[in-house]
Amino acid sequence: AQRVTQPEKLLSVFKGAPVELKCNYSYSGSPELFWYVQYSRQRLQLLLRHISRESIKGFTADLNKGETSFHLKKPFAQEEDSAMYYCALSSPSGGYNKLIFGAGTRLAVHP
Amino acid sequence: DVKVTQSSRYLVKRTGEKVFLECVQDMDHENMFWYRQDPGLGLRLIYFSYDVKMKEKGDIPEGYSVSREKKERFSLILESASTNQTSMYLCASTRQAEAFFGQGTRLTVV
Repeated sequence: AQRVTQPEKLLSVFKGAPVELKCNYSYSGSPELFWYVQYSRQRLQLLLRHISRESIKGFTADLNKGETSFHLKKPFAQEEDSAMYYCALSSPSGGYNKLIFGAGTRLAVHP
Repeated sequence: DVKVTQSSRYLVKRTGEKVFLECVQDMDHENMFWYRQDPGLGLRLIYFSYDVKMKEKGDIPEGYSVSREKKERFSLILESASTNQTSMYLCASTRQAEAFFGQGTRLTVV
């Protein structure tokens, strides 16, 4: 079965510290993986996707198929990074894409 | 800009009522989804639809049904609302697997 696991409910760091939000998945095929972010009082939005291999707002994420992980990293956290982060997996099935999310990690960046 | 609009931001309903949550998207997306968002549980998929009149159960479909009569509109129906359905409900449509979300409907069942 497809599953996305985010082991940390809360990650609390100080401004300028490195950040790593963990995501592990289970899927037998070749998944497409995403990170979504929800800032306070805003709607959920895409942060980045693994196929684009780009850095958004200083965040990067590398797909490790051997460890079935897609951890989100940023070398120096900023206060405006405080938000809820969700890892998601899209699995093609029967011509459509089913999108499954993890439980989310709240990132709190303190001054 | 893709726009996904949910008809209500806040709803309060009584136990046993039939509740309709409406979602409209304006980008001709084929796939639409309904999730509920609960603290510590993340987003759980209720139902999704990949075409007009086509629907698939997600992970927690019990107590819910959906309707998709037109491509742009995807409705979530609570047949007989219960207090354990108090939650934030999120609608999304997808383009090339990227999801665009509505602003959410916070439903309280009393």
